Amino acid sequence: EDQVTQSPEALRLQEGESSSLNCSYTVSGLRGLFWYRQDPGKGPEFLFTLYSAGEEKEKERLKATLTKKESFLHITAPKPEDSATYLCAVQGASYDKVIFGPGTSLSVIP
Amino acid sequence: NAGVTQTPKFQVLKTGQSMTLQCAQDMNHEYMSWYRQDPGMGLRLIHYSVGAGITDQGEVPNGYNVSRSTTEDFPLRLLSAAPSQTSVYFCASRRTGGLNQPQHFGDGTRLSIL
Repeated sequence: EDQVTQSPEALRLQEGESSSLNCSYTVSGLRGLFWYRQDPGKGPEFLFTLYSAGEEKEKERLKATLTKKESFLHITAPKPEDSATYLCAVQGASYDKVIFGPGTSLSVIP
Repeated sequence: NAGVTQTPKFQVLKTGQSMTLQCAQDMNHEYMSWYRQDPGMGLRLIHYSVGAGITDQGEVPNGYNVSRSTTEDFPLRLLSAAPSQTSVYFCASRRTGGLNQPQHFGDGTRLSIL
């Protein structure tokens, strides 16, 4: 059964304190791994798609990496505006279905 | 750019009532989907559609109906509301074909069943 877990559940950082969020997955035939950001009261907003182990993508202070079993979202020198819930999702052999993890709630304190 | 529009934003129902959550997208996306989001459980797929006239069940379809008569609209119907259906509902759409496309989400409908 396809499954996605994320850790930690919540993370509190001081402004400028770099860290990483983890997404572990079990899926038959990975077609893509997605990272989304979700602000309170809003829908998820797309950040990255990763397709194969070893791939990396960057956007401002965020960098996403992918291995065969997990993905990391690295946050370098975060700012308070990076506070949000970060969701990981995978698309496997069942092309039409995307499985989401429960998310990591990130708080960046000034 | 409107993107994915969901209405209403908030709704309170009594047990046993029925209602329809509306979803419309203006990006000409073939694929549309409905998710519910509950604390600690992530987004769970209710129903999805790969094009007009085609729908299929997701992970948690019981108690919900969908139809897709046009490319733009994908309404979700609650047949007889139950307290367990209290949740935040998100509609999403994406293109199909090529490398897997990310989904674009609406801002959700917050539904409470009393």
